Amino acid sequence: DGGITQSPKYLFRKEGQNVTLSCEQNLNHDAMYWYRQDPGQGLRLIYYSQIVNDFQKGDIAEGYSVSREKKESFPLTVTSAQKNPTAFYLCASSISTGFFGYTFGSGTRLTVV
Amino acid sequence: RKEVEQDPGPFNVPEGATVAFNCTYSNSASQSFFWYRQDCRKEPKLLMSVYSSGNEDGRFTAQLNRASQYISLLIRDSKLSDSATYLCVVRDFGNEKLTFGTGTRLTIIP
Repeated sequence: DGGITQSPKYLFRKEGQNVTLSCEQNLNHDAMYWYRQDPGQGLRLIYYSQIVNDFQKGDIAEGYSVSREKKESFPLTVTSAQKNPTAFYLCASSISTGFFGYTFGSGTRLTVV
Repeated sequence: RKEVEQDPGPFNVPEGATVAFNCTYSNSASQSFFWYRQDCRKEPKLLMSVYSSGNEDGRFTAQLNRASQYISLLIRDSKLSDSATYLCVVRDFGNEKLTFGTGTRLTIIP
């Protein structure tokens, strides 16, 4: 079955460490996205990519970095510059054009300890 | 003004009742509209797209009012399993990004 896989499900990070969240999809979708969700808040867009080797900043890109070397993969690095990284991180993908919604991965819950 | 606004609730509704909630959007050029469902500590899942003519999927009916810039979701004969947060989502024309509302929390009471 096609879908999006995020790993790990839970991640604990020490202050000052960089961590990378994995996102892999086998849906043959061109577009991929990273969102952050905090308690009681809506999803906020961090980065998105419409094609391999290209990506754009979303609304809250500071302290994050991404790469898109393969169509299937869109890893997110949370750097030490991100001051408040504890959150639920969601990866999504979509067909690049048309009126289609997103398919989400099951998320990574990141906690700074 | 937020791009997509929803009443956060919570809506506590007895099982079997009909419940409806609205969502307003600020950009008149918005092109695509969706309702997503998110269970506690899980990822959002697409519930239904919202078409200009309105559409129905079983107990769920979605409506779009472009003149007043709102979409609605109606749930009939509510089930305990309908308890979740319902996210209103909008895509602007030519924009790959979806904009999410903060969600309306619904609890169905036995």
